[in-house]
Amino acid sequence: AQKVTQAQTEISVVEKEDVTLDCVYETRDTTYYLFWYKQPPSGELVFLIRRNSFDEQNEISGRYSWNFQKSTSSFNFTITASQVVDSAVYFCALSEGGSEKLVFGKGTKLTVNP
Amino acid sequence: DGGITQSPKYLFRKEGQNVTLSCEQNLNHDAMYWYRQDPGQGLRLIYYSQIVNDFQKGDIAEGYSVSREKKESFPLTVTSAQKNPTAFYLCASSIRTWTKNIQYFGAGTRLSVL
Repeated sequence: AQKVTQAQTEISVVEKEDVTLDCVYETRDTTYYLFWYKQPPSGELVFLIRRNSFDEQNEISGRYSWNFQKSTSSFNFTITASQVVDSAVYFCALSEGGSEKLVFGKGTKLTVNP
Repeated sequence: DGGITQSPKYLFRKEGQNVTLSCEQNLNHDAMYWYRQDPGQGLRLIYYSQIVNDFQKGDIAEGYSVSREKKESFPLTVTSAQKNPTAFYLCASSIRTWTKNIQYFGAGTRLSVL
């Protein structure tokens, strides 16, 4: 069975601090996809990144970076020099190769204080 | 602008009443999904549809019904059989190809019981 664990329920940082959001997943499939979504207070989920299980390259997009490690079944998300606008709930999600379903973690609420 | 439109933004249900949540997309996406989000929880899949006139139950389909008569539209009915309907409901859509596709989300409908 597929499962996503985001152990950090809430994180609070001060602007300009770096912050890492943890995501640990479980799956028996060799082909799977991992996602991160951002949910600002408005409620709409915003897609951030998709990774497939065959691509372990880390990715950087501006202040955002992602570290995918199959050895530890983790797909962690780091925000560098955080800003108030980064305040949101962040969800990690998993989809097995043959499935149409996304399985979400419970989310991490990030608050960036000025 | 292309996107997913959910209406209404807020909805109130009386005891014993069925209510219908609207989801329309103009992205020409094949697949559509309904999720339920409870406070402090991740998203849970209610129903999904990969093509017109076809849909499948997700993990928590009891007390809900859907239809998919048009590619653009995927309304969700919360029936009186759903005893705890208060939640935030999110609709999503995606293209169907051989790779795992990104789901794009609407702004959500917040349902409360009077």
